[in-house]
Order: sequence, then C-alpha cells, then structure tokens
Amino acid sequence: GAGVSQTPSNKVTEKGKYVELRCDPISGHTALYWYRQSLGQGPEFLIYFQGTGAADDSGLPNDRFFAVRPEGSVSTLKIQRTERGDSAVYLCASSLTDRENSPLHFGNGTRLTVT
Amino acid sequence: GQSLEQPSEVTAVEGAIVQINCTYQTSGFYGLSWYQQHDGGAPTFLSYNGLDGLEETGRFSSFLSRSDSYGYLLLQELQMKDSASYFCAAKGQAGTALIFGKGTTLSVSS
Repeated sequence: GAGVSQTPSNKVTEKGKYVELRCDPISGHTALYWYRQSLGQGPEFLIYFQGTGAADDSGLPNDRFFAVRPEGSVSTLKIQRTERGDSAVYLCASSLTDRENSPLHFGNGTRLTVT
Repeated sequence: GQSLEQPSEVTAVEGAIVQINCTYQTSGFYGLSWYQQHDGGAPTFLSYNGLDGLEETGRFSSFLSRSDSYGYLLLQELQMKDSASYFCAAKGQAGTALIFGKGTTLSVSS
C-alpha cells in the first residue's frame, strides 16, 4: 500500500513568509508525528497527534509553529513569519498506534529553505 | 530532559561485524528503537527492544540493558548497502513521542 506522503517535496520561501507543509499518513494509522532534521543531526521532535488531538506539542520551538489534523488523517504543519533558522527537512511519520512498540513510518520529507 | 548518546561515525569493511552503541538518559523509559537512514532518504525502522536482551532480525541484532541505560545495534556480514546513518530512539514517558539520538554514520568499504 501507499506510504506516508508529504507535499511539497521542496519549498523555497522568503524570510517573513507563511508556509504550509502537508502530510498524508498511511491509512488506518492513528498516530501522526512531525519532526525536523538538519544536516548531520537526528530527527528533532515537534508535535504528535493521536487521532485529531495534539497529544504532545512540547517540541514546537515557538508560537510561529502550529499543526492541525482536523479529521484524524491528513495533517498540516504551518509556519508563520519564517526565519532562516527554520530551514531544514520536515519529516512526517505515522504509526498504527502510539504505543512504544509501534514502528514509525516516515515520509520522504519536505525540504524547506528560507532565503 | 532526555538525551541519547551514540558515536558520530563508524567505519568498517565488507563482511565485517560492527556494533553501534547507544546510552540514554530519560526520565522514564519505554524501550529503545533503531532506525536506518540512507543519504537523502527517509528513516526506516529496524528494531525495538522493550525488555533486556537480544533481538535478532536477519543480519541485524539489537541489545538492551535497562540497568545500564545502554543498548547497541549489531550489524553482521556488512554490505556496501549498509552504509547509512543509524539512530537510536527512546520514549521517556507515556503520551510522548520518540526522541532520537544524533545518529551514527556507518561507512562500509570494499
């Protein structure tokens, strides 16, 4: 079946602009996660959803970042007033449950470049 | 807070065995996972250890010692295609997400 799909694959934006990144999880997966990854680093946790609700948003760096998952499937990560430091690969993952032994399935990411 | 420490780089030759260590500090602990990521690709799940001991999946094995807050990934019969980054990850508390280490870059040469 289809894996986790993220769009766009690449996004270049100017400093100060607003961007939306979309994630389509694997069908039937109840948990959805957003991470971001800089070169040479591990995925950095941002937020995760169990169903429609944000179960843990402790990784969001500041209030410019916001994410939604209104129907418990597709999720959108929204970044306001982008800064050059926001440049990274934004990874989305889904898992069947949010249990610790439920593997995360990652998408190929959206590479965000803020100029 | 939570942190996971692993070596930044490991090199080996084809056919060899390599061990990638991971030590963790978490407020709670719900098991240790390992992920592989090739250059430009997405991380993919390799293994999960919830209990102490060794888990074997083909050429890869993973070990956990909860008393030592330590685990490792063992890769046997190395192949060129095993060249990738390997991340250990742990969940510290119920209702939280996996936290990843910074990754170990494995380079396999012929």
